[in-house]
Amino acid sequence: SQKIEQNSEALNIQEGKTATLTCNYTNYSPAYLQWYRQDPGRGPVFLLLIRENEKEKRKERLKVTFDTTLKQSLFHITASQPADSATYLCALGRGSGYSTLTFGKGTMLLVSP
Amino acid sequence: EAGVAQSPRYKIIEKRQSVAFWCNPISGHATLYWYQQILGQGPKLLIQFQNNGVVDDSQLPKDRFSAERLKGVDSTLKIQPAKLEDSAVYLCASSPRGGGLVLGTGELFFGEGSRLTVL
Repeated sequence: SQKIEQNSEALNIQEGKTATLTCNYTNYSPAYLQWYRQDPGRGPVFLLLIRENEKEKRKERLKVTFDTTLKQSLFHITASQPADSATYLCALGRGSGYSTLTFGKGTMLLVSP
Repeated sequence: EAGVAQSPRYKIIEKRQSVAFWCNPISGHATLYWYQQILGQGPKLLIQFQNNGVVDDSQLPKDRFSAERLKGVDSTLKIQPAKLEDSAVYLCASSPRGGGLVLGTGELFFGEGSRLTVL
């Protein structure tokens, strides 16, 4: 069956360091992958999209890589700040039509001053 | 631009009672989704509408859950009768068209969610 794995343990880092979150998947052939941020008591907020034919995308301090051979995406936040503390969800989608997104469980990131 | 509106934000009911959640998507968004998010889990799709037609309801427990989207705008999700395991946050999301990559990033716009506690 399809499986999306994200680090279940919280990631604790110091302010200014680079945070790296992992999303692995099995039994799935996604056409694209998205990353969302979710704060406590709020709905997820879209951050980045990367397509299957793209290796890397960047947006400000965010960088996403996508390796369809390893079936893995890495999400990096450089120069992390306490305001980056949140849960980060990866979501996989198929095709370009009416595509259903499948979400991972998310990884909580805690950035300490 | 107004976001996705959901109500109520919180609801506490006894098991076997019924509950209904309402969602108003972003104006002009054709696709509407209901997700269930159990504490510590990622969102799980319950049902996806394209305008007022159902695109995917494969994970909707149809013996107790129902959803409708009349006139292709607002939507209501109902649970009857509720079970303890239905305690979760019910998230509504919308997207401009079919989701996917038909337009732009395929981004979903989520509401704040409705937190259900079943006692």
